[in-house]
Amino acid sequence: RKEVEQDPGPFNVPEGATVAFNCTYSNSASQSFFWYRQDCRKEPKLLMSVYSSGNEDGRFTAQLNRASQYISLLIRDSKLSDSATYLCVVNSGGYQKVTFGIGTKLQVIP
Amino acid sequence: NAGVTQTPKFRVLKTGQSMTLLCAQDMNHEYMYWYRQDPGMGLRLIHYSVGEGTTAKGEVPDGYNVSRLKKQNFLLGLESAAPSQTSVYFCASSYLASGRGEQYFGPGTRLTVT
Repeated sequence: RKEVEQDPGPFNVPEGATVAFNCTYSNSASQSFFWYRQDCRKEPKLLMSVYSSGNEDGRFTAQLNRASQYISLLIRDSKLSDSATYLCVVNSGGYQKVTFGIGTKLQVIP
Repeated sequence: NAGVTQTPKFRVLKTGQSMTLLCAQDMNHEYMYWYRQDPGMGLRLIHYSVGEGTTAKGEVPDGYNVSRLKKQNFLLGLESAAPSQTSVYFCASSYLASGRGEQYFGPGTRLTVT
């Protein structure tokens, strides 16, 4: 089993739709979780950290389910500008290193 | 405030040639990282540094060397390039360890080895 698994997509959704991505991780000792966004041919940028209690930033909500070992990202009222690849990131081997998922590609359609 | 910069942006090498990728950050970050990104795979850590003068191996260190002589710079060297090293290379830096906080990435270097 891979350390971090994501559905690569693509997820094609209409503007205004709600879309959710999941990411599963294999190391039950993982303590920190992040979602990064990567635009085509650009560098990754932090979208949000994922806290045990869940967190929300505008249209974006991230949640952690430790029992089932997955994190999720919910995007409400999708915009064209949300089109990107969303990378799940989980710490591994202590806090010095993290593992990146392959990313889930989102395409928001007019 | 430029953040993280990388040079060059593009490079084509022939098998066996050597080169150095340069990464610089102006945020006074202690931690710096080199990753490679290949299609269908997540970013993979090559080497990292937790401070000036220190380096450590990541997940895929073979064929690469690094140096961190100054806090703001992290160099990645390819001694004898191989086609398997064709990839996009990203440098990143962070104030806290990568598992504790945000990493800031450079724009990447696209390397092709023929």
